[in-house]
Amino acid sequence: AQSVTQLGSHVSVSEGALVLLRCNYSSSVPPYLFWYVQYPNQGLQLLLKYTSAATLVKGINGFEAEFKKSETSFHLTKPSAHMSDAAEYFCAVSGPTGANNLFFGTGTRLTVIP
Amino acid sequence: KAGVTQTPRYLIKTRGQQVTLSCSPISGHRSVSWYQQTPGQGLQFLFEYFSETQRNKGNFPGRFSGRQFSNSRSEMNVSTLELGDSALYLCASSHGTLQETQYFGPGTRLLVL
Repeated sequence: AQSVTQLGSHVSVSEGALVLLRCNYSSSVPPYLFWYVQYPNQGLQLLLKYTSAATLVKGINGFEAEFKKSETSFHLTKPSAHMSDAAEYFCAVSGPTGANNLFFGTGTRLTVIP
Repeated sequence: KAGVTQTPRYLIKTRGQQVTLSCSPISGHRSVSWYQQTPGQGLQFLFEYFSETQRNKGNFPGRFSGRQFSNSRSEMNVSTLELGDSALYLCASSHGTLQETQYFGPGTRLLVL
């Protein structure tokens, strides 16, 4: 079965500090993994996607994530936090082969302290 | 290219009523998926439609139904509303290739009183 676990429902960082949001996955097949961001009163915006082409995936707004099979992890990082990064972040894994749905983690709310 | 649009953006209903939500996918996309987002349960998959057929379904009661039209627009219906149906309903569209990136609309926020 497919699932993701996001460690830490709330993360606070200072502006300019490293952002690290954790995601561990469980999948019965090689996974497709996603990070989405949600700003208040908005839908989800794709940050990046892992499709097995490369273990280090670069996304929008300076975010990147590294796929580590041995650790079943797909953590999201950004070297320097900006005030505009404050939002909720969701890790997701695609459904099993033959399905086109996503299984989401519970989300991590990122606060950036000026 | 215009993004996914959802109407209405906000809706207030009372228990026992029914509601219909609409989703217009990105032009050229043939797959529309629906998700429910609540503080308690998070983001949960409702169902997916592709070429007017339900292709995949989540674990929701039969009160939740949907359909897709020939222009790929989709509607979701919830009958006999319950307080617990209060949520943000998100739709997402894609070309329909499995495990492809889904693009989300802004959502419809439903409040059931």
